[in-house]
Amino acid sequence: TQLLEQSPQFLSIQEGENLTVYCNSSSVFSSLQWYRQEPGEGPVLLVTVVTGGEVKKLKRLTFQFGDARKDSSLHITAAQPGDTGLYLCAGAADYKLSFGAGTTVTVRA
Amino acid sequence: NAGVTQTPKFQVLKTGQSMTLQCAQDMNHNSMYWYRQDPGMGLRLIYYSASEGTTDKGEVPNGYNVSRLNKREFSLRLESAAPSQTSVYFCASRTGDSNEKLFFGSGTQLSVL
Repeated sequence: TQLLEQSPQFLSIQEGENLTVYCNSSSVFSSLQWYRQEPGEGPVLLVTVVTGGEVKKLKRLTFQFGDARKDSSLHITAAQPGDTGLYLCAGAADYKLSFGAGTTVTVRA
Repeated sequence: NAGVTQTPKFQVLKTGQSMTLQCAQDMNHNSMYWYRQDPGMGLRLIYYSASEGTTDKGEVPNGYNVSRLNKREFSLRLESAAPSQTSVYFCASRTGDSNEKLFFGSGTQLSVL
């Protein structure tokens, strides 16, 4: 079983629509990170959230860390085809980073 | 900057064969990691090295061994490959602070027949 549960597993939307990806756990993390992965490449960090209730914005992407530091969400406004990819959340504890199974996002032109 | 370099990029093995996946980073990072990625399973930690001279098991260590050769290099060895080890393997590194981001290599696609 995954320490971090991501939903949905797949998401296909039209360009210009909004989307939200969720990351939930029963564990508390010192921080939560979101990565994006393109085919044939390793994941690349998008953002790190550290404080419970924290909200970070990166252009059209909004990341929120739950008050109890167990869950997070990623919201994309007005999605573009360039947002297509695998989105992974990862929770930090000690020296280890545990990943969710990922959400595959496809934005159709 | 090279970042994290993994070799080889692709490998096909027969069941029972052995091989070593190589990983090197040029960012002076203390911590290094080996993950495997399977469809629907995300990234699962195999082994990690918090600092030079130390290694620890992750979630799925069975069938693997690691060596932290020096601060730069962290290798993963499959002594007797099994079809269940068919996967994409990623090496990653970071400074050591638990909130720091991981820098990933571009992966090794391994097939065990």
